Amino acid sequence: EAQVTQNPRYLITVTGKKLTVTCSQNMNHEYMSWYRQDPGLGLRQIYYSMNVEVTDKGDVPEGYKVSRKEKRNFPLILESPSPNQTSLYFCASSLGPGGDSGNTIYFGEGSWLTVV
Amino acid sequence: AQKVTQAQTEISVVEKEDVTLDCVYETRDTTYYLFWYKQPPSGELVFLIRRNSFDEQNEISGRYSWNFQKSTSSFNFTITASQVVDSAVYFCALSGPYSGAGSYQLTFGKGTKLSVIP
Repeated sequence: EAQVTQNPRYLITVTGKKLTVTCSQNMNHEYMSWYRQDPGLGLRQIYYSMNVEVTDKGDVPEGYKVSRKEKRNFPLILESPSPNQTSLYFCASSLGPGGDSGNTIYFGEGSWLTVV
Repeated sequence: AQKVTQAQTEISVVEKEDVTLDCVYETRDTTYYLFWYKQPPSGELVFLIRRNSFDEQNEISGRYSWNFQKSTSSFNFTITASQVVDSAVYFCALSGPYSGAGSYQLTFGKGTKLSVIP
């Protein structure tokens, strides 16, 4: 079954304590990305990765880091979380980056992160 | 720059009523792709449909139908005979083709919260 798996699904943490949200896909997709969803703002892209060792900033990258050492994994790192990073985070993957034919975008189930 | 506008923030309907969710988009790409996603209260994003810009045929899937009109840059979503299980936030999204320059963007609207009242 095609899956994008995020962990943890729910996390409450304190300001400044580094955390990592993992994302793994089992579809051999090259393209992966992270979004955050906030009330009234919809989903906004944080970072994306075209392939292993290739990453780039999305619309709201400040305060986040990513890495793509393996094709299947694309962790999101918050080095020093702050309360304004409290959000619902989604990881996504697709065969390619555009909406072109066949590039169905698969989303993880979301990670609810609260920074106090 | 791409933009997706879902003007309806929240809609409430009584079960069995029909409801249409509006989506208006802006893009400079001549080839682009439109999506609808459903987000139930549990939070996950459920893919509903993808439509290519060069295919203006409307689509029907059970109680769901989509009306794509390039002339008005709209991609509206209608639920016929709504049910309580349709209660969710619905997102319209837009993407362009891969530009080859590493830039790619899937732009979401802000979502419409649909509440179906029994």
